[in-house]
Amino acid sequence: QKEVEQNSGPLSVPEGAIASLNCTYSDRVSQSFFWYRQYSGKSPELIMSIYSNGDKEDGRFTAQLNKASQYVSLLIRDSQPSDSATYLCAVNSNFGNEKLTFGTGTRLTIIP
Amino acid sequence: DTAVSQTPKYLVTQMGNDKSIKCEQNLGHDTMYWYKQDSKKFLKIMFSYNNKELIINETVPNRFSPKSPDKAHLNLHINSLELGDSAVYFCASSPRLSRDRGPFGELFFGEGSRLTVL
Repeated sequence: QKEVEQNSGPLSVPEGAIASLNCTYSDRVSQSFFWYRQYSGKSPELIMSIYSNGDKEDGRFTAQLNKASQYVSLLIRDSQPSDSATYLCAVNSNFGNEKLTFGTGTRLTIIP
Repeated sequence: DTAVSQTPKYLVTQMGNDKSIKCEQNLGHDTMYWYKQDSKKFLKIMFSYNNKELIINETVPNRFSPKSPDKAHLNLHINSLELGDSAVYFCASSPRLSRDRGPFGELFFGEGSRLTVL
């Protein structure tokens, strides 16, 4: 079983709609959860972090965490063509050991 | 000013050759990493150094040897290159966070070095 799983996509969403990206993880003691965005041919950049159950909002982005279900998601409201990218879920599975485990990413395409 | 810079950006070489990739960060971070991203976009950690000390060494073949001359630099040398080594190699850095300062997770990535082994 992969440690961090995401649907590879591609996920196509019309411009202005809500894009929903999902991620599950296998290590129950995971503490910290992150979403990175990677444009084609570019390096990943951090867009959201979440550490406790519930929702965390930042502009058009909302991260949701449910530790009981070992599930983390990212919602992008009012999707823009510039949101088209691969979104990588990352989990810190060893608190105190600075190691991030990444999922394989979901490729998101916003259709104008 | 580039925060994390890697050279070269592109590297094309023959099987069996030895090559190096250099990385420098000017963010003042204590911790640096090498990640490998394969053709399916899977990003996997290889090594991590904190203030020149190796702290993470994933099961990477010993043909790969990292070197950190100081905390701002982390280089990667690869001996006897194989076809399967073709990938994008990302250097990254992060501030070292103790439990008191909160959890870890923000990585600053370099632009990547695309290695093609023929």
